[in-house]
Amino acid sequence: EVQLLESGGGVGQPGGSLRLSCGASGFTFSSYAMSWVRQAPGKGLEWVSTITGGGSTAYYADSVKGRFSISRDNSKNTLFLQMYSLRDEDTAVYYCAKNRGADVHFDYWGQGTLVTVS
Amino acid sequence: DIQMTQSPSTLSASVGDRVTITCRASQSISSWLAWYQQKPGKVPKLLIYKASSLESGVPSRFSGSGSGTEFTLTISSLQPDDFATYYCQQYYSYSWTFGQGTKVEIK
Repeated sequence: EVQLLESGGGVGQPGGSLRLSCGASGFTFSSYAMSWVRQAPGKGLEWVSTITGGGSTAYYADSVKGRFSISRDNSKNTLFLQMYSLRDEDTAVYYCAKNRGADVHFDYWGQGTLVTVS
Repeated sequence: DIQMTQSPSTLSASVGDRVTITCRASQSISSWLAWYQQKPGKVPKLLIYKASSLESGVPSRFSGSGSGTEFTLTISSLQPDDFATYYCQQYYSYSWTFGQGTKVEIK
């Protein structure tokens, strides 16, 4: 059974930083691209970033480019999102999601971790 | 960036109704479109991928169609468990964008 468990959320100050983690199990982690998707309170879904299975290539939404960095440790089946220069509009639940393929849809989602910038 | 526009934003319907949600892309995305269902406080659930492929375990009353820039999600006979918010998502050329969502409410 695929399981994704995010951690690291909490309160961050404007201009500050936070690091999110996502532990994965139930599949061959290194074979799949992984993504972060966020949802501001009462709002819709927003794609944040995706990283390929090997970790060599990352993609970012314009809203976070230059401020957020996605990475992964395939030896520990863990995905990360390092967030810098936090803004009020980064307040959201951050979901870790597994891509079915490198550039396709998301077939499994974690439960999410709340980031509040205040 | 590719923009996705869903309509309507809110839809009121009764159990047993046939429901259709439309999603339009700002440029052609071929068939690289998925649909997700999200209930309040819950995680999004994949329903449809590649515009018309039903995800395993999803009831057959859900169907998707379209290609290029216009897509639809249809629920053939709305069930009580289907009241939720639905999102389309494009995944064309290493870019992912969601529509703003369509909330299906009880009439």
